[in-house]
Amino acid sequence: GAVVSQHPSRVICKSGTSVKIECRSLDFQATTMFWYRQFPKQSLMLMATSNEGSKATYEQGVEKDKFLINHASLTLSTLTVTSAHPEDSSFYICSASTRNSNQPQHFGDGTRLSIL
Amino acid sequence: GEDVEQSLFLSVREGDSSVINCTYTDSSSTYLYWYKQEPGAGLQLLTYIFSNMDMKQDQRLTVLLNKKDKHLSLRIADTQTGDSAIYFCAESLNSGNTPLVFGKGTRLSVIA
Repeated sequence: GAVVSQHPSRVICKSGTSVKIECRSLDFQATTMFWYRQFPKQSLMLMATSNEGSKATYEQGVEKDKFLINHASLTLSTLTVTSAHPEDSSFYICSASTRNSNQPQHFGDGTRLSIL
Repeated sequence: GEDVEQSLFLSVREGDSSVINCTYTDSSSTYLYWYKQEPGAGLQLLTYIFSNMDMKQDQRLTVLLNKKDKHLSLRIADTQTGDSAIYFCAESLNSGNTPLVFGKGTRLSVIA
């Protein structure tokens, strides 16, 4: 089945560091990728929708200058958390879908980000 | 707006059946999903159902959809300790091109 690879799986870094998370579709072309955020013991909340070759669409309350999303190819989207602070510590997870809207989205395994 | 509700906890004995319930508000939801999340891990798609279906069965999993009441359930037969996890219900307007709206998740604990 379709596989989405997300790296890194875990990051621990100092406050002020910028962190890049990659989301790759391994065996299909992902025309759309979604980035979600999950706080401890809470549900997943959509951060942004990323379409290949165009600017990402951010949800209300998500700072586009803080969370930079790039979807430059049909198999790769990246989320960069710029100048991360402890409140950015969370579980970030991506999903990818194809043009065939009858197929379900496929999720990566997530990235646990811890800012000290 | 869209909203998905689930009970937060469920505890069952090994070998019994588990039933996890979910309600949603958006009547135009076309696809409804069940995901499993184990501690520290990502989401595993268990099953999904189109809104024009009433039931879908896949091995130990049975999904029931009552579109009139906007109620979705997941039944796990012969529950095993390995089924202990958080189960998320989610909905979307279509499968691939719109984001999912998730419930808060039901933590299933299986007692040996």
